[in-house]
Amino acid sequence: AQSVTQLGSHVSVSEGALVLLRCNYSSSVPPYLFWYVQYPNQGLQLLLKYTSAATLVKGINGFEAEFKKSETSFHLTKPSAHMSDAAEYFCAVSDNNQGGKLIFGQGTELSVKP
Amino acid sequence: EPEVTQTPSHQVTQMGQEVILRCVPISNHLYFYWYRQILGQKVEFLVSFYNNEISEKSEIFDDQFSVERPDGSNFTLKIRSTKLEDSAMYFCASTSQGQGLTPLHFGNGTRLTVT
Repeated sequence: AQSVTQLGSHVSVSEGALVLLRCNYSSSVPPYLFWYVQYPNQGLQLLLKYTSAATLVKGINGFEAEFKKSETSFHLTKPSAHMSDAAEYFCAVSDNNQGGKLIFGQGTELSVKP
Repeated sequence: EPEVTQTPSHQVTQMGQEVILRCVPISNHLYFYWYRQILGQKVEFLVSFYNNEISEKSEIFDDQFSVERPDGSNFTLKIRSTKLEDSAMYFCASTSQGQGLTPLHFGNGTRLTVT
């Protein structure tokens, strides 16, 4: 069975600092991996996706993630945090044989301090 | 950009009542999903729907739950007899292709409160 683990339920950074949100996955087949962001009282918005092309994936709002098969990781990074990045971030894995169903991690709440 | 829309945004109901949560997926999408998020917990898969039938459902999706695509645009989730533990945010999602090839597009959710 596939699963996703996000290390750290809450991450706090200063404005301008590096953002690193960790995600490790477990999958018996080559996975499709996604990062979604959820702003307060809103739905889930896709940040970026990995579907077996380039291992370094660039997304919206300056975020990127690197797929590392040897570490079964798909960590999300942004070089310089902005106040508007404060939100909940979810890593998700899709079993490409299961009709696109997503399995989500527990989520990481990102706080950005001025 | 096309969006998935959900109504109502907030639904309050009494335990034992039936509720119907409504979703209008993106018009050319073929795969539809319901997820829920209990406050403070992860987003959980409930059910997927393709070609007018359920393609997969989770353990959560018991006999109290049903889904329907009554016309060409709406996709509904019905909870027949609500329980306190059904209180959660319910998200509808859709995509044009299965197998994870295209990302899921989510609505803003319906917050269901069962009292």
